Amino acid sequence: GESVGLHLPTLSVQEGDNSIINCAYSNSASDYFIWYKQESGKGPQFIIDIRSNMDKRQGQRVTVLLNKTVKHLSLQIAATQPGDSAVYFCAENEPGGFKTIFGAGTRLFVKA
Amino acid sequence: ETGVTQTPRHLVMGMTNKKSLKCEQHLGHNAMYWYKQSAKKPLELMFVYNFKEQTENNSVPSRFSPECPNSSHLFLHLHTLQPEDSALYLCASSQGLGGKEKLFFGSGTQLSVL
Repeated sequence: GESVGLHLPTLSVQEGDNSIINCAYSNSASDYFIWYKQESGKGPQFIIDIRSNMDKRQGQRVTVLLNKTVKHLSLQIAATQPGDSAVYFCAENEPGGFKTIFGAGTRLFVKA
Repeated sequence: ETGVTQTPRHLVMGMTNKKSLKCEQHLGHNAMYWYKQSAKKPLELMFVYNFKEQTENNSVPSRFSPECPNSSHLFLHLHTLQPEDSALYLCASSQGLGGKEKLFFGSGTQLSVL
């Protein structure tokens, strides 16, 4: 099976609150991770990435945290907005290969 | 827009039909991919092309036939499909080949096989 998975299939948050989407990976040799966002009717779009030599990386309203000890990745979205409603996928690189391995996805609902 | 265009957006076909999906990227990328996205399943890699040479066929049935005439265009030819092939087919491209490359996806073709 896939080595990347997600803890929750859906997440519902109030507009303005912070969102945290979690992801577990099983291959300790993976050294590059990406979060993608897929809105309805569109393909996945790159949000933010992180390499294994880092444990935190910040973007605009998004932060990715990497805990290599427990093989856990999270995406934090600050001040969640209705436009953040989408499915979020974590992905990792295939160690020694060239593939991107995707997790199952978490659907984020933002309540007004 | 992502710079990756897929046509058609929607396709309904019978099991005896032959159809083709088209993908074009305007990003100057060297690698192109076909993915299948089914409900409640992770994205499944189908085919990979690098500099228009196929580098991966991820155990895809022969009723799916890819074609990459150049680095900017990718086709997926479909024939004698099964209802379980109904899914969203996504094309993606990346600058180079590798799991550390950012993928740029098109909006996909929603395929229904009757």
